[in-house]
Amino acid sequence: DADVTQTPRNRITKTGKRIMLECSQTKGHDRMYWYRQDPGLGLRLIYYSFDVKDINKGEISDGYSVSRQAQAKFSLSLESAIPNQTALYFCATSDSGESNSPLHFGNGTRLTVT
Amino acid sequence: GEDVEQSLFLSVREGDSSVINCTYTDSSSTYLYWYKQEPGAGLQLLTYIFSNMDMKQDQRLTVLLNKKDKHLSLRIADTQTGDSAIYFCAERKRGSTLGRLYFGRGTQLTVWP
Repeated sequence: DADVTQTPRNRITKTGKRIMLECSQTKGHDRMYWYRQDPGLGLRLIYYSFDVKDINKGEISDGYSVSRQAQAKFSLSLESAIPNQTALYFCATSDSGESNSPLHFGNGTRLTVT
Repeated sequence: GEDVEQSLFLSVREGDSSVINCTYTDSSSTYLYWYKQEPGAGLQLLTYIFSNMDMKQDQRLTVLLNKKDKHLSLRIADTQTGDSAIYFCAERKRGSTLGRLYFGRGTQLTVWP
């Protein structure tokens, strides 16, 4: 979905480095999410946010932090990357005003920690 | 169970029908979704069904919902090679915080010519 943009698309980093993954959206949605995808494990929720003052932990938030700098921007940080954080990371948005309110996903960031 | 369950792999021949099954966790879930992920891409919403419906049809896609058994299926008629992808089932539980979805592990559909 081109309305949800993630940068970078690919990133290789070393153990112990701090990195940030960025997400921006032009959909005007208030809710934003960060998911992690590992082969055979599906998608697991890291953090989610209703607006700039609201941050909530998902089921695998340890080792991650987030910042909702504006309604349109939601960044994910790894303070000290470790190899088991190698995964595909997805940002998603949804609209609290829609009763159905599906998630709209970006194209993902593939992160490799060596 | 506590997790959304899907079989991991399905192979079909081009032109046949594909049926991907899912068992979800919460009988009070309000919406159930099917997403498609092609290689190198994000998840694309295919279709969804509201919990008060039994069936929904959208062109080649048919979704069946059995609330008693908490079972959801996606049928793709006349499957094409372009349908090869990973398909994710997801549920929105009643009262779900901030509209979050719970995903299955995904079913890899391979279509043989």
